[in-house]
Amino acid sequence: AQKITQTQPGMFVQEKEAVTLDCTYDTSDQSYGLFWYKQPSSGEMIFLIYQGSYDEQNATEGRYSLNFQKARKSANLVISASQLGDSAMYFCAMREGGGNQGGKLIFGQGTELSVKP
Amino acid sequence: NAGVTQTPKFQVLKTGQSMTLQCAQDMNHEYMSWYRQDPGMGLRLIHYSVGAGITDQGEVPNGYNVSRSTTEDFPLRLLSAAPSQTSVYFCASTRRTDRLGLFFGPGTRLTVL
Repeated sequence: AQKITQTQPGMFVQEKEAVTLDCTYDTSDQSYGLFWYKQPSSGEMIFLIYQGSYDEQNATEGRYSLNFQKARKSANLVISASQLGDSAMYFCAMREGGGNQGGKLIFGQGTELSVKP
Repeated sequence: NAGVTQTPKFQVLKTGQSMTLQCAQDMNHEYMSWYRQDPGMGLRLIHYSVGAGITDQGEVPNGYNVSRSTTEDFPLRLLSAAPSQTSVYFCASTRRTDRLGLFFGPGTRLTVL
């Protein structure tokens, strides 16, 4: 069963504008973690932001924020003031259960973001 | 700190050949894992380890073996390569107590002809 769904295969955004990348998840666990990773064309996986299921505040890291709506099971990534260097593939991922679960993550299919000058 | 290192970066194999993808980390992380990345499918977990001598299967383990004799190393073995194993392979590690997810290696691009 698909546990992480990213419905936007590709998106465009104008430089300096904000963009939201969608992510919905499915789990029966009460304790879980949600992650966003960036993969530029060079191929490396870069951690962006983390949200725990019990975190009361939405996570923020610089220009990245996570819009966490627990009841809707969504964890959308918001990038403010887009830059050309933000052009990349973005993956949403989930860790089910408490603790670190052996480092096991479930990934979505990814969204390719292109920032236009 | 080199972080997570993987060798080789690129590899071409013929169907039926075997090989080992190397992975090492110098961060004293307890947990290590292997993922494969295929177009349109995100990353999928192959095998993982929670410590030296302890390994377990992930979502797509068939055709792969792992062992973990030391904390630092977690090699992935392809026993008899098949074209379906053409993919990009990522090794990752993390601390037992770390809620911040995975540190990834740079990846190995494998082509099986």
